[in-house]
Amino acid sequence: EAQVTQNPRYLITVTGKKLTVTCSQNMNHEYMSWYRQDPGLGLRQIYYSMNVEVTDKGDVPEGYKVSRKEKRNFPLILESPSPNQTSLYFCASSFFAPSSYNEQFFGPGTRLTVL
Amino acid sequence: LAKTTQPISMDSYEGQEVNITCSHNNIATNDYITWYQQFPSQGPRFIIQGYKTKVTNEVASLFIPADRKSSTLSLPRVSLSDTAVYYCLVDKSSGDKLTFGTGTRLAVRP
Repeated sequence: EAQVTQNPRYLITVTGKKLTVTCSQNMNHEYMSWYRQDPGLGLRQIYYSMNVEVTDKGDVPEGYKVSRKEKRNFPLILESPSPNQTSLYFCASSFFAPSSYNEQFFGPGTRLTVL
Repeated sequence: LAKTTQPISMDSYEGQEVNITCSHNNIATNDYITWYQQFPSQGPRFIIQGYKTKVTNEVASLFIPADRKSSTLSLPRVSLSDTAVYYCLVDKSSGDKLTFGTGTRLAVRP
């Protein structure tokens, strides 16, 4: 089944404890991205990747890192999480960047709470 | 960056047609207009995309006037399961970012 998977789905952690949220897609998509969703603010893009070893900042990159060593995986890393990073996170992928006719496929989401 | 403006919320009843209008005054010549649907605690799901005039699929229709400064998503005969948030996006034709607004929260009542 074609899909985007994220792990973990739920995570409660404490301030400063490094964590990684994994994202994997099995559709051979070139483009992958991470979003966070907060009440009243909609979806905001954190980082995106056009292809392996190519990443760039979205609208809210502060406090996050990403890597794209393989085409199918795009982990989101929080080196020192803070309470303001408590949010619902979505990973997405598509064949091409959003500058052409293409559909973004979203993962199920990861609900992160930083105490 | 083409910014979109949508109503924050809309209410409807089962069986009615719902039209959600999105304003995008700064749309560029090569930009497409895309709509996504999101249910609570789920990722957004692609509904429809268009460039001009009218596009229809099994879920919805998208109407785009000649000046392309707005677009209307039409959901025929909505049901309770259409209760969701609907996002209008303008795909940048010259960039790689994708910007979602806050969307329109549609509530369908029995």
